[in-house]
Amino acid sequence: SQQGEEDPQALSIQEGENATMNCSYKTSINNLQWYRQNSGRGLVHLILIRSNEREKHSGRLRVTLDTSKKSSSLLITASRAADTASYFCATDGGRDDKIIFGKGTRLHILP
Amino acid sequence: EPEVTQTPSHQVTQMGQEVILRCVPISNHLYFYWYRQILGQKVEFLVSFYNNEISEKSEIFDDQFSVERPDGSNFTLKIRSTKLEDSAMYFCASSPTGGETQYFGPGTRLLVL
Repeated sequence: SQQGEEDPQALSIQEGENATMNCSYKTSINNLQWYRQNSGRGLVHLILIRSNEREKHSGRLRVTLDTSKKSSSLLITASRAADTASYFCATDGGRDDKIIFGKGTRLHILP
Repeated sequence: EPEVTQTPSHQVTQMGQEVILRCVPISNHLYFYWYRQILGQKVEFLVSFYNNEISEKSEIFDDQFSVERPDGSNFTLKIRSTKLEDSAMYFCASSPTGGETQYFGPGTRLLVL
């Protein structure tokens, strides 16, 4: 089944720096999504990129998708303390298909 | 902006008791989902629901679990006889159509003692 696996597992950077998280998956997908989860809280949808798209931007977020390598990256530019959270990629096969989450990257922004 | 809501936010129950977790999906959405996240682990799919029936369910979703859309707004997950290992955060999600963004609720933290 599709499965997103993020790396690194944990990332600590200084406020103002850029943070890059990567995701790899195993099978063909329809969409790939990135979610954020603050500690013990709900999942916030960040961005969806379709299998026929290569790059997408939303504010300080930039997502790339390389279907030939079955990988995606999430770049957060000019990081802020409020960006401290876990970030998950999630893949789906389309229609009403479930989404499969990776284990996530824990991002910590240092003041 | 419309949101998925879930109640209760926290629930503590004794092993063997029945629990019902409630969700109100976004009003014009047609696809509904339940996921769970055991503490420190990844989010796992439980079940998807469309057109008043289950579309897909995972191995986790055994006979102890059931879902229902009793009226036009609520979507419930029932666990008939809770086990210790059912302790987790349960998330409801909805989507306007299949294969699109799923919007998640804030979750219900279930603790089974």
